[in-house]
Amino acid sequence: DIQMTQSPSTLSASVGDRVAITCRASQKISPWLAWYQQKPGKAPKLLIYDASSLQSGVPSRFSGSESGTEFTLTINSLQSDDFATYYCQQYDTYPWTFGQGTRVENK
Amino acid sequence: EVQLLESGGDLVQPGGSLRLSCAVSGFTFYSYAMNWVRQAPGKGLEWVSAISGSGDKTYYADSVKGRFTISRDNSKRMLYLQMNSLRGEDTAVYFCAKGGSGTYYNLWDWGQGTLVTVSS
Repeated sequence: DIQMTQSPSTLSASVGDRVAITCRASQKISPWLAWYQQKPGKAPKLLIYDASSLQSGVPSRFSGSESGTEFTLTINSLQSDDFATYYCQQYDTYPWTFGQGTRVENK
Repeated sequence: EVQLLESGGDLVQPGGSLRLSCAVSGFTFYSYAMNWVRQAPGKGLEWVSAISGSGDKTYYADSVKGRFTISRDNSKRMLYLQMNSLRGEDTAVYFCAKGGSGTYYNLWDWGQGTLVTVSS
């Protein structure tokens, strides 16, 4: 199975900060990676697909990038609505796998 | 507007069975693969199973293979997950999620989930 190693597990930041979350795949999956945002008690929401494509309706402060087997979700100018947990997910090979999640909390 | 509504979650004893359902609307159901993803209390997301638009291809996580069966009824716009031989570690919120129509696809839309609790 493809392992997705996501870091950090927790990130403390303030409104206006630029934050980055990284996901490393155990083998080549490019570009088949998505990022999701989840708030407590809610379903996940798609933010980025195909490593760097912004889902319709998602603010442009969210962006995705890739370098080999390393993928990054960047949030420019963090907003109060962005405090949540973020997951990466590979859809290159079954079984699909998620990263462990990154909780973005208010510093 | 895409809508996915799961139902069927309940408290069940270890070794028991349960069938989850997901009613969909707002898109051409038979054109899209569908998935189940679960989340144990306080834990991360775990992909469970996928089924192609026509229903002829199915995929499972190793943790549920041989115990769970995914199916769909395109005439009724319904997705199902039959869960047998349930274990405590199957306790989770189960989400149905709309996939894509190609070989590689992400999870575009999610339902709100249904809670399955396996306990004696």
